Amino acid sequence: QKEVEQNSGPLSVPEGAIASLNCTYSDRGSQSFFWYRQYSGKSPELIMFIYSNGDKEDGRFTAQLNKASQYVSLLIRDSQPSDSATYLCAGNNAGNMLTFGGGTRLMVKP
Amino acid sequence: DAGVIQSPRHEVTEMGQEVTLRCKPISGHNSLFWYRQTMMRGLELLIYFNNNVPIDDSGMPEDRFSAKMPNASFSTLKIQPSEPRDSAVYFCASSLIRTSGNTIYFGEGSWLTVV
Repeated sequence: QKEVEQNSGPLSVPEGAIASLNCTYSDRGSQSFFWYRQYSGKSPELIMFIYSNGDKEDGRFTAQLNKASQYVSLLIRDSQPSDSATYLCAGNNAGNMLTFGGGTRLMVKP
Repeated sequence: DAGVIQSPRHEVTEMGQEVTLRCKPISGHNSLFWYRQTMMRGLELLIYFNNNVPIDDSGMPEDRFSAKMPNASFSTLKIQPSEPRDSAVYFCASSLIRTSGNTIYFGEGSWLTVV
């Protein structure tokens, strides 16, 4: 079992809808969690990170962390076709290394 | 500020040849990571350096793979001899390790094809 799990998708949502991306992790020692976006043929780029239970908002993006349930999510409001990409969830471990999930492919249809 | 710089961006080589990938981390960052990404296995951490010292190389797949970081501004990942199954995108990333939120930043990747 991978330490960070994501549904590979694709997740398809209509333009303007809320996209909800989910991630679970197995290492209870993980303290910080990161969401990266990766367009096809490009490198991962950081969207946001979260390390406290609850919600963290940044523009159209909201990250949610529930340490008791070992669950992290990313909500994208008012989804745009340009949001179509693979979203990678990552958690750090005691050695401060990031372990990535397999990614969820998001498709936003006009 | 310049981001993480990797070279070459693309390389096609024959099986059995030596491949050397290069990375210049972001200035001031104290940690460097080499990742490999394939469709089948996703993004895998190969090795992690902190202050130029290898901390964890448990992800290095075989003895054919080696990595060095002779100084804070340069690292190499070498594959010798290369095999077709080594074909992947190799990302270098760097970070400033802090007590929390150690964001890592990726280079644009080196796309390796071994034929």
